[in-house]
Amino acid sequence: RKEVEQDPGPFNVPEGATVAFNCTYSNSASQSFFWYRQDCRKEPKLLMSVYSSGNEDGRFTAQLNRASQYISLLIRDSKLSDSATYLCVEDLNNDMRFGAGTRLTVKP
Amino acid sequence: DVKVTQSSRYLVKRTGEKVFLECVQDMDHENMFWYRQDPGLGLRLIYFSYDVKMKEKGDIPEGYSVSREKKERFSLILESASTNQTSMYLCASRIPGASSGANVLTFGAGSRLTVL
Repeated sequence: RKEVEQDPGPFNVPEGATVAFNCTYSNSASQSFFWYRQDCRKEPKLLMSVYSSGNEDGRFTAQLNRASQYISLLIRDSKLSDSATYLCVEDLNNDMRFGAGTRLTVKP
Repeated sequence: DVKVTQSSRYLVKRTGEKVFLECVQDMDHENMFWYRQDPGLGLRLIYFSYDVKMKEKGDIPEGYSVSREKKERFSLILESASTNQTSMYLCASRIPGASSGANVLTFGAGSRLTVL
């Protein structure tokens, strides 16, 4: 039973592009969500928390759509250093559920 | 910054061996977790611990056990390693709650285990 679904990609985009990923979740009662970034052979690291309708941090914007049960991550003006796998996490009463990740490659 | 340290980055073991994976965190976090990560499957929860001497099964506890005798240390034990336990093992910790910054998992660097 897959509770958090992500498009695995890979997404290959040129530097400077805008790219968006979606993540769907199955528990309507979930209160908070997270986006983590994971570089190759490294541990996941927190990118953004999403507690209400959305969050913005520089070039990164996360939005939550409760009606359709998905969250999105938008990256503007992509940098080469944005290349990584992005993990969506659903927090249901402290039970953290991970998506399998979306792989992004930003090319020169 | 919270630091979560896993004792071994790479291990190679033989089928049937007992394996210990150690994890230590230095910020007095109540909750600690062990995940395994496999390609295409994402992170799957093996065991977690809400506090000292407490443990709860996650989604895939079979073949594993854990120990949390001290708050800062959470050990994962493979009593008899099998080839299907070849994986990346990630330890994490967090402060639980509803306040800002709570529930954010901080991960260790991971332990890549190969069972031959």
